[in-house]
Amino acid sequence: NAGVTQTPKFQVLKTGQSMTLQCAQDMNHEYMSWYRQDPGMGLRLIHYSVGAGITDQGEVPNGYNVSRSTTEDFPLRLLSAAPSQTSVYFCASRSGVRNTIYFGEGSWLTVV
Amino acid sequence: GQQVMQIPQYQHVQEGEDFTTYCNSSTTLSNIQWYKQRPGGHPVFLIQLVKSGEVKKQKRLTFQFGEAKKNSSLHITATQTTDVGTYFCAGPGFGNEKLTFGTGTRLTIIP
Repeated sequence: NAGVTQTPKFQVLKTGQSMTLQCAQDMNHEYMSWYRQDPGMGLRLIHYSVGAGITDQGEVPNGYNVSRSTTEDFPLRLLSAAPSQTSVYFCASRSGVRNTIYFGEGSWLTVV
Repeated sequence: GQQVMQIPQYQHVQEGEDFTTYCNSSTTLSNIQWYKQRPGGHPVFLIQLVKSGEVKKQKRLTFQFGEAKKNSSLHITATQTTDVGTYFCAGPGFGNEKLTFGTGTRLTIIP
């Protein structure tokens, strides 16, 4: 079972570059979300989606865009990368019935 | 907005000692979940508590949900090196799809 798959695992960007972090899940979960994790800050919610075509902002949405065209995919776009976006990014999904969250393995992003 | 705080932020214990982390929410939670993240890994679900005052055990781990559903604790008896990691609590508010994570407690074991 693949579960939640994130790509790439590691990425280095220059300030001002754009990129997309990919996330896919094969569990037919309605709910998907993106978190960033910084030292001493825990996991902070960036954006989330409760189903295809529906997205909403989390705690730290600035600088990030998302879309949910299918149930399976939930990409996170950085339009103009900034050093403050250096972090570990986790994609997660859960079903609407059970609240257990399944995380991807993470994407380590460095912006220089 | 909803805030979830955990204490302590760090805990170093000798192998075999007990360990406890506490989680406090600024708002009432419909349920609380606990996750463990090994160094360099991703968070992995441990357990979910739903009822006021609920207590659940998983081998050496004991989880409690407060009567007011605003706080929770995780207690590990006789820690082992495999317990190393960061423990997070997380909870949604009532009628809220957002899951807010606590700040986490990082546990290190001294052999």
